[in-house]
Amino acid sequence: DSGVTQTPKHLITATGQRVTLRCSPRSGDLSVYWYQQSLDQGLQFLIHYYNGEERAKGNILERFSAQQFPDLHSELNLSSLELGDSALYFCASSVPQGMSTEAFFGQGTRLTVV
Amino acid sequence: AQKITQTQPGMFVQEKEAVTLDCTYDTSDPSYGLFWYKQPSSGEMIFLIYQGSYDQQNATEGRYSLNFQKARKSANLVISASQLGDSAMYFCAMRGAGNQFYFGTGTSLTVIP
Repeated sequence: DSGVTQTPKHLITATGQRVTLRCSPRSGDLSVYWYQQSLDQGLQFLIHYYNGEERAKGNILERFSAQQFPDLHSELNLSSLELGDSALYFCASSVPQGMSTEAFFGQGTRLTVV
Repeated sequence: AQKITQTQPGMFVQEKEAVTLDCTYDTSDPSYGLFWYKQPSSGEMIFLIYQGSYDQQNATEGRYSLNFQKARKSANLVISASQLGDSAMYFCAMRGAGNQFYFGTGTSLTVIP
């Protein structure tokens, strides 16, 4: 158990809908990262939050947004969903600084858009 | 810009043999960390091994070792005595000055009995 919790584990929704994925980082971790992994693809970095502030954006679509709340949990909002948004979405957390600490991953949310 | 390259989409290895998974990286950061993760078919991401850019010795963790060649910007993962349970996707990743983690496209390893 990595200590990172993602809910829900599975989500099936229709095109055009909006969903919210939730992530609770490990206790004490201030950084939260979101990644998208499409079928047979690597991990695409979406966004990084540190202590409530956005730190970096990767390949995140304008239809997607995220935030990190004062209690450090994070939500990834996906709207106007398309079939191509079907993927495994990972949240990871890490200690604030230092290169030597790995990112701890949640189990992922598998999103299926039908 | 940070970039991780894994050029082997798929690899096969005989059980009990050793296998090397390649990873090269590109960064202008003077200090960085290199990581390998395993993703079995169940989907979770499992941390395997870490190498710091200033570490003089190659990292080892049980059957995993990291062959770090800084001048060549390579960080290959060596798995010794492969087991059937090693069949999985393997991702190389780098953490740079911005504290983001950048991942390669992965290598699918199949261990043959």
